[in-house]
Amino acid sequence: DGGITQSPKYLFRKEGQNVTLSCEQNLNHDAMYWYRQDPGQGLRLIYYSQIVNDFQKGDIAEGYSVSREKKESFPLTVTSAQKNPTAFYLCASSIVYPRRDTEAFFGQGTRLTVV
Amino acid sequence: DAKTTQPNSMESNEEEPVHLPCNHSTISGTDYIHWYRQLPSQGPEYVIHGLTSNVNNRMASLAIAEDRKSSTLILHRATLRDAAVYYCILRDVGGSGNTPLVFGKGTRLSVIA
Repeated sequence: DGGITQSPKYLFRKEGQNVTLSCEQNLNHDAMYWYRQDPGQGLRLIYYSQIVNDFQKGDIAEGYSVSREKKESFPLTVTSAQKNPTAFYLCASSIVYPRRDTEAFFGQGTRLTVV
Repeated sequence: DAKTTQPNSMESNEEEPVHLPCNHSTISGTDYIHWYRQLPSQGPEYVIHGLTSNVNNRMASLAIAEDRKSSTLILHRATLRDAAVYYCILRDVGGSGNTPLVFGKGTRLSVIA
């Protein structure tokens, strides 16, 4: 089945360690996105990419890094510079061409806890 | 993206219709109105979207005001599985590329059996 896969579902890390969250899609979508969600809040955009080897910062990019070496993959690294990394992380993808009004598809999320 | 205003929470009885309002008074001509919902501990899922005309699909209906400054998501018969946070989002398709979705806090819908 086509879709977006985020792994792992739960992740625990010690403070000061970098951690990479995986996001893979087999929908042949051009655009991919990373969001962060804190309890009781809406989603906030971290980074997005509309094409391979190109990405843009979102509203809260500090302390995070991404790469887009393949169309199917958009991994997110939470670095030790991120001051409050414990959160629910969501990856999404969508078509860019030929129609830009189409929906985005979301993964099931990774819940990161830093202790 | 232009901003939207939604009630923080709403309650509905099971099997009854639900009307979820959204105000977007600063909407531009190239903004599509999107609705997503998020069940507990899951990623958001697409519900419906439209530009000017009312839209129907298997999940819901979207009623858009004639001046486009407000819209209403209609769930025709609420079930317990419809309990979720519903997000109304404006998505600009006028420029180049694909504008990311900008989420507000949404409306938390509770469904009572």
